[in-house]
Amino acid sequence: GAVVSQHPSRVICKSGTSVKIECRSLDFQATTMFWYRQFPKKSLMLMATSNEGSKATYEQGVEKDKFLINHASLTLSTLTVTSAHPEDSSFYICSARSFFRDRGHETQYFGPGTRLLVL
Amino acid sequence: SQQGEEDPQALSIQEGENATMNCSYKTSINNLQWYRQNSGRGLVHLILIRSNEREKHSGRLRVTLDTSKKSSSLLITASRAADTASYFCATVTGNQFYFGTGTSLTVIP
Repeated sequence: GAVVSQHPSRVICKSGTSVKIECRSLDFQATTMFWYRQFPKKSLMLMATSNEGSKATYEQGVEKDKFLINHASLTLSTLTVTSAHPEDSSFYICSARSFFRDRGHETQYFGPGTRLLVL
Repeated sequence: SQQGEEDPQALSIQEGENATMNCSYKTSINNLQWYRQNSGRGLVHLILIRSNEREKHSGRLRVTLDTSKKSSSLLITASRAADTASYFCATVTGNQFYFGTGTSLTVIP
C-alpha cells in the first residue's frame, strides 16, 4: 500500500517553545490530509482537515492559532504546535487521502504518528 | 459526537480462542473500516466493508455490518499472542473518518 511518513517520530520540548511535525505522502499525491490527536489509551480525535493550497478546516474545540497547519504541496502537510504546554503532550497522527485510479475509489493512509512530550 | 462506541473496552483471551469486538455508530456511512494499533505505534488498516455489504473476510478476520442497527463486529479467529493490540473501528462519511473508542485485546500465550 501507499506510504505516509511523519517526522519526527518523537519530540521532547520545553514549555513555551513551538514544535513542527511533518507529514509526507511518499509515493502518491494527497488531495486531502488530516491531523488527529490521540491521548493515552484513547481513540483518535480529528483535529483538522487540510487541502493543498487552502486553509485548514478545524474541528470544533481545536484552536487554530495553537495548532497551525500548512499544506504546502500535494505531498506535504505540517502541524506546528505553538507555545507548547504540558497539556499538549500527546500522540499526533496524520493521514493522507487520494483517489487511486486502479482501485476506483479514494483511500486514506495513516502515518506512524509523532509522540510529543512537553516538559 | 459522531464518534463510535466499541464494546468491550478490554478483552483478554487465551491463545487459540476467538475474539469478537463490536462497534456501534450514529450516522449513515459510506464504509466502515477496522484498524489495529500496537502500543505507541501508528494505525494498521485491517479491512474495509462498504455500506452495501453485510460480511467480509480477510484471513483470520471476519467483519459484519448491520446498517439497520448501525453496528459492526470484528471477529479474529484462532487468536495468537501477536494479535495483542488495540482495535479501532472507523466510520467514513464523505471525507471524514470517525474513530471508535477502541478495544484493547490481550491474547495470553
